[in-house]
Amino acid sequence: KQEVTQIPAALSVPEGENLVLNCSFTDSAIYNLQWFRQDPGKGLTSLLLIQSSQREQTSGRLNASLDKSSGRSTLYIAASQPGDSATYLCAVSPTTSGTYKYIFGTGTRLKVLA
Amino acid sequence: SQTIHQWPATLVQPVGSPLSLECTVEGTSNPNLYWYRQAAGRGLQLLFYSVGIGQISSEVPQNLSASRPQDRQFILSSKKLLLSDSGFYLCASSDRPGGHGYTFGSGTRLTVV
Repeated sequence: KQEVTQIPAALSVPEGENLVLNCSFTDSAIYNLQWFRQDPGKGLTSLLLIQSSQREQTSGRLNASLDKSSGRSTLYIAASQPGDSATYLCAVSPTTSGTYKYIFGTGTRLKVLA
Repeated sequence: SQTIHQWPATLVQPVGSPLSLECTVEGTSNPNLYWYRQAAGRGLQLLFYSVGIGQISSEVPQNLSASRPQDRQFILSSKKLLLSDSGFYLCASSDRPGGHGYTFGSGTRLTVV
């Protein structure tokens, strides 16, 4: 059974700091991995999607890497800003799903201090 | 691009009462639709998904049911709510291969009292 773990559960950093969020999953048989952002009481917004054949994806100050064989992904946020404060969720789509169902981690709650 | 409408935003219901949450999708056709629940302190859990009208798959045994009466309408229901049904319910839609275009609604906060 696929399980997704995110470390740390919460993180508080001063503005301008570079930071890394970690995600691990137990079964490497995945279609892809997505990183989402969730603001309090809101839905999720997709940040980056990495296909199983890819190693990384970049969007602005965000960079996500994927090491499928070791079951790990990292989300790197450069020059963090207070507006980055949110919960970041990692999710994997198992190859057995067929319909891009996602299994989510419990998230990392990030607070960037001004 | 897709837009997902979910309502209501918040709901407080007594134990044993019925439930109906509605999700509608705009800007696409024939999407895959999903209902997720986020319980306090836990990750998002997939409850149901649908690949077409009238086609519903359940991921976990529970007190809830889902229906898809139209291509872009997905409904989550219960005949009698339990305290354990409390949580944040999110509807999602996927209209492109490869997991791209995975869009979430703004969610419904359900509290069963």
